[in-house]
Amino acid sequence: GDSVTQMEGPVTLSEEAFLTINCTYTATGYPSLFWYVQYPGEGLQLLLKATKADDKGSNKGFEATYRKETTSFHLEKGSVQVSDSAVYFCALSERAGGTSYGKLTFGQGTILTVHP
Amino acid sequence: GAVVSQHPSRVICKSGTSVKIECRSLDFQATTMFWYRQFPKQSLMLMATSNEGSKATYEQGVEKDKFLINHASLTLSTLTVTSAHPEDSSFYICSARDSGELTYEQYFGPGTRLTVT
Repeated sequence: GDSVTQMEGPVTLSEEAFLTINCTYTATGYPSLFWYVQYPGEGLQLLLKATKADDKGSNKGFEATYRKETTSFHLEKGSVQVSDSAVYFCALSERAGGTSYGKLTFGQGTILTVHP
Repeated sequence: GAVVSQHPSRVICKSGTSVKIECRSLDFQATTMFWYRQFPKQSLMLMATSNEGSKATYEQGVEKDKFLINHASLTLSTLTVTSAHPEDSSFYICSARDSGELTYEQYFGPGTRLTVT
């Protein structure tokens, strides 16, 4: 079945440091890929997405490129802020069809803490 | 746009009682909604897929009779935890897909913290 593997956390950085959170996936089809962010005490928010190979998703200074050859979707940010402290989830969704409704498969989440 | 609400945000109930959690899409219609469970410091586990006007599809290992799902309208799905026990304490999150969109993006609610004493 489909699966998503994220780098283990927690990740602790100083403000303005460079961030990379690795994400790799296995899927039977051609999935869409997502990064979600969960701030303390809140639900998930979509951070960025990519629907086909070589697509780059970007938002709020975060970027991730859909790499089909390496089945990866690593999240990067050039200069993190204290407000970026949150849990980040990589996820995939197979194309909906038949009895599938585009279910999301999540990675285990990576806790990011940014210190001033 | 694309706002999903959940009610209540927090609930405490006694062991053996039932509790209902509502998930609403506020500004779009959602034929399909999803219910997840999240344990502390862990990922989200899909419990079931809720489809308006039909029975929910449960994931393997999820008890249908314990977690009752009703998707009675295009903007409301409910999850009822029946005969709750302390091990049911968790963070329950719903999401909804916009029926009018061609993408399969899910919009998430803020979650409901259930504590069973």
